Amino acid sequence: QKEVEQNSGPLSVPEGAIASLNCTYSDRGSQSFFWYRQYSGKSPELIMSIYSNGDKEDGRFTAQLNKASQYVSLLIRDSQPSDSATYLCAANQAGTALIFGKGTTLSVSS
Amino acid sequence: SAVISQKPSRDICQRGTSLTIQCQVDSQVTMMFWYRQQPGQSLTLIATANQGSEATYESGFVIDKFPISRPNLTFSTLTVSNMSPEDSSIYLCSVGVGGFKNIQYFGAGTRLSVL
Repeated sequence: QKEVEQNSGPLSVPEGAIASLNCTYSDRGSQSFFWYRQYSGKSPELIMSIYSNGDKEDGRFTAQLNKASQYVSLLIRDSQPSDSATYLCAANQAGTALIFGKGTTLSVSS
Repeated sequence: SAVISQKPSRDICQRGTSLTIQCQVDSQVTMMFWYRQQPGQSLTLIATANQGSEATYESGFVIDKFPISRPNLTFSTLTVSNMSPEDSSIYLCSVGVGGFKNIQYFGAGTRLSVL
């Protein structure tokens, strides 16, 4: 059974702090890894993709991948109240559907 | 990216009836998927909609309950048949783009309530 695991949270951080979200996956054959943001009542929105070991930065977001540890993380710098949402980690092999974790709820207080 | 139009956006249905959800993409895509998101839960894959052949269903989902059509590379439908209150959920259409990167984008979803 292919699984993606996340802490459900909630993760609470003050405005301006760094939020750190973590995820592990069970399928060693996974090749692509994604972070989606989902606001309440909305559909998931892709914010980061990562395919190789190391860090990938995009604005305030940094995704980190460690295939040996089967671990993916997302750092959000300078967190804003508008970042308050559920963050979904997902993984797949080429040509297959994404498998999602249960999501981590982030709350950023002003 | 891809622009995905999904409809209806929401519906309230009676027990025992069926609802067909439509998903239209603005470009041809090989991979289309249907997910369910129950209240407070993450996304669960229902099936992969294959153009020109039967959909591939995940464990726990069957064709009689969730028939899927994929007549071409830009369109798919999911029918929720013989509905019960347990089918109340958000149903999401997703497409895979970007070749080997297989990035998935989602439609806005259909919020279904079964009375």
